[in-house]
Amino acid sequence: DTAVSQTPKYLVTQMGNDKSIKCEQNLGHDTMYWYKQDSKKFLKIMFSYNNKELIINETVPNRFSPKSPDKAHLNLHINSLELGDSAVYFCASSQVRGLGSYEQYFGPGTRLTVT
Amino acid sequence: GQNIDQPTEMTATEGAIVQINCTYQTSGFNGLFWYQQHAGEAPTFLSYNVLDGLEEKGRFSSFLSRSKGYSYLLLKELQMKDSASYLCARGATDSWGKLQFGAGTQVVVTP
Repeated sequence: DTAVSQTPKYLVTQMGNDKSIKCEQNLGHDTMYWYKQDSKKFLKIMFSYNNKELIINETVPNRFSPKSPDKAHLNLHINSLELGDSAVYFCASSQVRGLGSYEQYFGPGTRLTVT
Repeated sequence: GQNIDQPTEMTATEGAIVQINCTYQTSGFNGLFWYQQHAGEAPTFLSYNVLDGLEEKGRFSSFLSRSKGYSYLLLKELQMKDSASYLCARGATDSWGKLQFGAGTQVVVTP
């Protein structure tokens, strides 16, 4: 059973298009994250949701809009795609209990290529 | 800022030991994680230190000194499959579960 799954695994699209990436976790965790890993392999947090509420929103263009329909799902919608959005996007989840640090489980990643 | 510094690349031979150092800003520190990431794959959790000292897990050990803002990951009896990027990540007190990752250290294991 896959713990954290993402779809699609690969996404190739043209500039200006709108696309979505979906993420689901079956670990029963209450917190989910989106990370962006660029060509230099630097993994940077974008958003985090705890029990469907946004708790981390880093400096990300407002073309990126996360949505959590329930605590097992966190989707990422991207409007007006730009060349610089090309990267691998990872979803992750963890069980967070207050202001602590907890092991995060990552999905397989979605490689987005904007042409 | 919360700069996390680790070497870009290290090379070692099969069977050897490699130590990957990581330094980070101490203010707002809330635990130190190490992840392994093979090319084209997701990061996977290796270890977590929140108190000073050494944590051992089989061939992998991780050390933390909170006062020095310093951690290392020790990989013993290197195997070819250990060739991967090793990411140091710092937990932060300012937000639930937030991790700040270093750029990763690419370990190359040679025969």
